Amino acid sequence: DAGITQSPRYKITETGRQVTLMCHQTWSHSYMFWYRQDLGHGLRLIYYSAAADITDKGEVSDGYVVSRSKTENFPLTLESATRSQTSVYFCASSSLAGRETQYFGPGTRLLVL
Amino acid sequence: QKEVEQDPGPLSVPEGAIVSLNCTYSNSAFQYFMWYRQYSRKGPELLMYTYSSGNKEDGRFTAQVDKSSKYISLFIRDSQPSDSATYLCAMSEGLTGGGNKLTFGTGTQLKVEL
Repeated sequence: DAGITQSPRYKITETGRQVTLMCHQTWSHSYMFWYRQDLGHGLRLIYYSAAADITDKGEVSDGYVVSRSKTENFPLTLESATRSQTSVYFCASSSLAGRETQYFGPGTRLLVL
Repeated sequence: QKEVEQDPGPLSVPEGAIVSLNCTYSNSAFQYFMWYRQYSRKGPELLMYTYSSGNKEDGRFTAQVDKSSKYISLFIRDSQPSDSATYLCAMSEGLTGGGNKLTFGTGTQLKVEL
């Protein structure tokens, strides 16, 4: 049971480059989320998705793009990376049922030079 | 002012101590309260989940919610070195299974020393 996985786990890129972070879950959860975690800010929501082809912006969505063509995948793209996007990125998922909360992946550490 | 405030620590306690971790919040619509534990270089994992006011106990962990004071707490009894982690409080207005978004505190770093 793989759960929720993220790739790559570590990434170094340069300012202006496009970067895609991958997220894959094996639970068939309807909802998926992308967060970034920064010192002093905690976890902040970037984007979320209620189902395939349904996405919506979170608190800090500028400079990010998402897609969700399949229920199990939710890639996050930085269209033109900036140094301020250096962060740890977490993907999470949750089901529609009852009191399920969000389950988090292991994170991707991104450094933008 | 942040919607959820949490003392970042670090908090260092001896093994066996009782630990108290706290969060305050400003949004009176929050109904669901969670504590996540995050080990270094790992993703957060759910520790406790509470609806509305009251207490909930799970082994050495007790979560308390006081909605009148907009204050939540996590108590850890007989703390162990394996409890050393960052503890994040999180809150939502509705069931996260319905897609209601979580609002997180910044996390408190806890170290339990031998």
